[in-house]
Amino acid sequence: RKEVEQDPGPFNVPEGATVAFNCTYSNSASQSFFWYRQDCRKEPKLLMSVYSSGNEDGRFTAQLNRASQYISLLIRDSKLSDSATYLCVVNHPGGGNKLTFGTGTQLKVEL
Amino acid sequence: DAGVTQSPTHLIKTRGQQVTLRCSPKSGHDTVSWYQQALGQGPQFIFQYYEEEERQRGNFPDRFSGHQFPNYSSELNVNALLLGDSALYLCASSLGGTELPSSTDTQYFGPGTRLTVL
Repeated sequence: RKEVEQDPGPFNVPEGATVAFNCTYSNSASQSFFWYRQDCRKEPKLLMSVYSSGNEDGRFTAQLNRASQYISLLIRDSKLSDSATYLCVVNHPGGGNKLTFGTGTQLKVEL
Repeated sequence: DAGVTQSPTHLIKTRGQQVTLRCSPKSGHDTVSWYQQALGQGPQFIFQYYEEEERQRGNFPDRFSGHQFPNYSSELNVNALLLGDSALYLCASSLGGTELPSSTDTQYFGPGTRLTVL
C-alpha cells in the first residue's frame, strides 16, 4: 500500500464548478498535512497547510479526518487558472521533516 | 527576499557519468531537502541536510550523496548515472531543528534541475 494515495484524475470540470479531491495516508502517526499545487514542468508550490480540523483560504477548503486517515481539498467557483496537478503531502513522523507525496490529481478547468 | 535557487536548470549526461546539482535555500532557512520527481509521479524524498549533516535519507542507493555547506547551500551528487535517473530534481528549504510540526516546517521548493540521462 502506498503511503499517500490519490486519484490521479484527470478531473475535467467547467469554469465555476465545485470540485473535491480526496487523499488517504497510511501512517497514523503522521502529524502535518499539506496540499501543494504543481503546474506543468514547474516546482510544487504550497497551496495550504492542514494542521488540525482543517482550514479555509478563499475558494479553497482543506479538511483532515484523522480517524479515517484522509484529507480533502475543496475548490469552489473553479477558475481556468486552477488547472494544475494537486499534490497531497504528509509529513513523515519522527522528526527531520521528511515529506511524502502522493502522485497528484490533475485538474483541468474548461470554458 | 530571494527564494530557493537551483543550478543548472537543465542537464544532459550519458550513462555512467557523474553529476552535481546545486541549491541555495531561501533566506533565513537552514535545512535543505532533495527530492526526485519522475514523469507522472510525485516527488520522492532523497535526503535532508541540517547543520551540515545528513539527517534523514529516503530509499535511494549510495550512488546518491550530498553535502551541506556552512552557508546552508547544498549539493546533490549522483554517480554512475543510469537511464532511470532521468527526472526533475527538486530542492526544498525549511527551518529545521524541530521534532514536532509547526508553522516553520513548511518546505519551499526551488525550480528544479531537469536531468536527462542518455
